[in-house]
Amino acid sequence: DIQMTQSPSSLSASVGDRVTITCRASQGFNNYLAWYQQKPGKVPKVLISAASTLQSGVPSRFSGSGSGTDFTLTISSLQPEDVGTYYCQKYNSVPWTFGQGTKVELK
Amino acid sequence: QVQLVESGGGVVQPGTSLRLSCAGSGFTFNNHGIHWVRQAPGKGLEWLAVISYNGNSKYYADSVKGRFTISRDNSKNTVYLQMYSLRAEDTAVYYCAKEWTNADDYFDYWGQGTLVTVSS
Repeated sequence: DIQMTQSPSSLSASVGDRVTITCRASQGFNNYLAWYQQKPGKVPKVLISAASTLQSGVPSRFSGSGSGTDFTLTISSLQPEDVGTYYCQKYNSVPWTFGQGTKVELK
Repeated sequence: QVQLVESGGGVVQPGTSLRLSCAGSGFTFNNHGIHWVRQAPGKGLEWLAVISYNGNSKYYADSVKGRFTISRDNSKNTVYLQMYSLRAEDTAVYYCAKEWTNADDYFDYWGQGTLVTVSS
């Protein structure tokens, strides 16, 4: 099975900072990679699919990139409402593996 | 609007069984694969199982294979997760989630979750 490893596990940044989260797969696969945001006490919400396709309604400060084994979620200018945990997920084949999550906090 | 509502959670003793339900509405239920995902307290998301739109394909995570069974009744717009031989480490919030399409896709909607606590 393909394992998904996110880094860092947590980060603290200031409002307006550029934030980058990395997701690395143990082996290459097609770009069926999604990013989810889970705010404290809330249900996960999909931000990006197919590695770089922004979901409808998601602010344009979020972007995704990458292919093969290395994928990145970028928040271009961190806002207070972005606090939460972010997960990458490989989909389209069994198992639908999640990364371990990256907790984003405000400095 | 799309809704997924889980039910059936509760406090159970180790070794016992429990069946969770996931009722869907606001979309064509029999057109979408449905997954179960769990989140242990303070931990990350763990994918558990998927059932295809027509129920013909079912897949499981290794951690629950042989103990959990996923099924669906499209006449009732409901997916089930039957859990056997529950262990303390199965304690978690259990979410169901629907695929965006019927083709092994990402999750566009999640339920609010149901808490399962396994404790003596």
